[in-house]
Amino acid sequence: AQSVTQLDSQVPVFEEAPVELRCNYSSSVSVYLFWYVQYPNQGLQLLLKYLSGSTLVKGINGFEAEFNKSQTSFHLRKPSVHISDTAEYFCAVSLLIKAAGNKLTFGGGTRVLVKP
Amino acid sequence: EAGVTQFPSHSVIEKGQTVTLRCDPISGHDNLYWYRRVMGKEIKFLLHFVKESKQDESGMPNNRFLAERTGGTYSTLKVQPAELEDSGVYFCASSQDRGTGGNEQFFGPGTRLTVL
Repeated sequence: AQSVTQLDSQVPVFEEAPVELRCNYSSSVSVYLFWYVQYPNQGLQLLLKYLSGSTLVKGINGFEAEFNKSQTSFHLRKPSVHISDTAEYFCAVSLLIKAAGNKLTFGGGTRVLVKP
Repeated sequence: EAGVTQFPSHSVIEKGQTVTLRCDPISGHDNLYWYRRVMGKEIKFLLHFVKESKQDESGMPNNRFLAERTGGTYSTLKVQPAELEDSGVYFCASSQDRGTGGNEQFFGPGTRLTVL
């Protein structure tokens, strides 16, 4: 079975400062990797995903993530955050097996609070 | 294009009552997923429909939960009878089937269920 660990449940950060959200996963087979964001009172929105190819993935709103196979990590970064980045962020994986149906396994989420 | 919609947004019921949650996926999306987030825990997969067929219901907690997807369009998730531990946020997501895996799932805003 696969699992996802988000190492920080909450991350306070000042506006215009950089932020890194850590994600580690465990799986016996290859996976696809995703970062989703949930703004208050909204559904989850895809920030970026890694399927194959370049290990550095760029997403929306200035976010990027780097896949590290040896460390089984997929950390999310943004060089300069805005107040509007205040949200909860979820790392997720799905198995690289079509029969698995692309169901997502999520980490516990990281709440980012951007302070002025 | 309308996104994934869920109804109701909130539901408060007493233990032993029945509740039905509804999800309308994005038009043309064959895949429909249900997930649940219990307070303080990670988002967990419940089940997956492909059109009107249940592809995977391995995440359904017990037989008090019944999901249907009539005609491959909207889906309902009924909880009968509800128990206190069923409280949480129920998310629905949909995706197209491109057969290559890693498809983006589009999430609805969720239904917050409180069982008293």
